[in-house]
Amino acid sequence: NAGVMQNPRHLVRRRGQEARLRCSPMKGHSHVYWYRQLPEEGLKFMVYLQKENIIDESGMPKERFSAEFPKEGPSILRIQQVVRGDSAAYFCASSRSRDENYGYTFGSGTRLTVV
Amino acid sequence: AQTVTQSQPEMSVQEAETVTLSCTYDTSENNYYLFWYKQPPSRQMILVIRQEAYKQQNATENRFSVNFQKAAKSFSLKISDSQLGDTAMYFCAFMKHRTDKLIFGTGTRLQVFP
Repeated sequence: NAGVMQNPRHLVRRRGQEARLRCSPMKGHSHVYWYRQLPEEGLKFMVYLQKENIIDESGMPKERFSAEFPKEGPSILRIQQVVRGDSAAYFCASSRSRDENYGYTFGSGTRLTVV
Repeated sequence: AQTVTQSQPEMSVQEAETVTLSCTYDTSENNYYLFWYKQPPSRQMILVIRQEAYKQQNATENRFSVNFQKAAKSFSLKISDSQLGDTAMYFCAFMKHRTDKLIFGTGTRLQVFP
């Protein structure tokens, strides 16, 4: 029973390139959440998705960031034209249903470094 | 808006001793959940313990227990019989009832010494 799988574990991008972060939720989970952790800070909510729907994107930067969770395949967090300030750890979490309120199951994160 | 404050950036404790990590939060909500997460060097976020605000009884999980003071908006974590494997960042988090977002504090780095 694999947990939440994120890949890659580490990603290095040059300024101006695109970063694609992937998240496969736990089996049977159809709700995915993305969080960002800047150095020496706690995690901050970015976006909540169900299959094929964005439910809450109130934490997403208005530009360059997008997320999807297609009917088939993993959820993707996409960052276009990356800048140094995008360097962070990006975590994905999943749950079976909304409002489970047990704190979700997190993946191990993707550390993005922009050089 | 809800906020979570962890006022201890770093703590240390000797193996087998007890340590308490502090957390306060600010909310006008009456129905919510509180969590402690552990983040070891592997970066994995691991749920340690969870508390429902409507429950007066403090949650416990083996060596981990909380002191939940709803009126004071305080949610401290007590680790008994500390082990070297407890060395990690510890994050306190808040979730309003029927919402999707965890709101995290800035964390406390705990070092357990032999």
